[in-house]
Amino acid sequence: GAGVSQSPSNKVTEKGKDVELRCDPISGHTALYWYRQSLGQGLEFLIYFQGNSAPDKSGLPSDRFSAERTGGSVSTLTIQRTQQEDSAVYLCASSITGTGLSGELFFGEGSRLTVL
Amino acid sequence: QQQVKQSPQSLIVQKGGISIINCAYENTAFDYFPWYQQFPGKGPALLIAIRPDVSEKKEGRFTISFNKSAKQFSLHIMDSQPGDSATYFCAARKAGSARQLTFGSGTQLTVLP
Repeated sequence: GAGVSQSPSNKVTEKGKDVELRCDPISGHTALYWYRQSLGQGLEFLIYFQGNSAPDKSGLPSDRFSAERTGGSVSTLTIQRTQQEDSAVYLCASSITGTGLSGELFFGEGSRLTVL
Repeated sequence: QQQVKQSPQSLIVQKGGISIINCAYENTAFDYFPWYQQFPGKGPALLIAIRPDVSEKKEGRFTISFNKSAKQFSLHIMDSQPGDSATYFCAARKAGSARQLTFGSGTQLTVLP
């Protein structure tokens, strides 16, 4: 596809369950980001992948959160033992390169997670 | 720790009016200041961006004003239209850092017909 693709678009789960959110970035984009958007809040950085470098995990809120990026393309964000405070929209973005003059981020439409 | 403070949280403007959203930052190492526009159910999209070596950048009805000494920048939407109704986020990025953008908390703009 032409844009960043995320799935599922909506996920309702029970507290304590694990969830996986998928992101398929724009082809050729080497940088991939995960952000979290809670109701009425800004965009909270979670994790950043750049090529084959070690990811920057400094934004992950707890060890229940993890992410992988396979083959430099698709990424999966995993939340273990979900809590109600994990309810949010999880946004994935990619850019051509992590550095450069603009580094414009192209966002997907997000995965809305609701933890009951 | 909120490095980019955005105001107001919400804004209602009449069609044809001027919408003004303000942001202030603390870190003088920031060197790139974009604004993103987000429609309901969609991801944010880059609207306009500025670097601190200029005081103003205009693209159509959208203008960024930048005050380096005050560490403030603002988005002006001239002749606001109902189609401009969206959430607007300012952001900032540190020089030489590809790691992330630091976003403001967002402003929900409603333009009344």
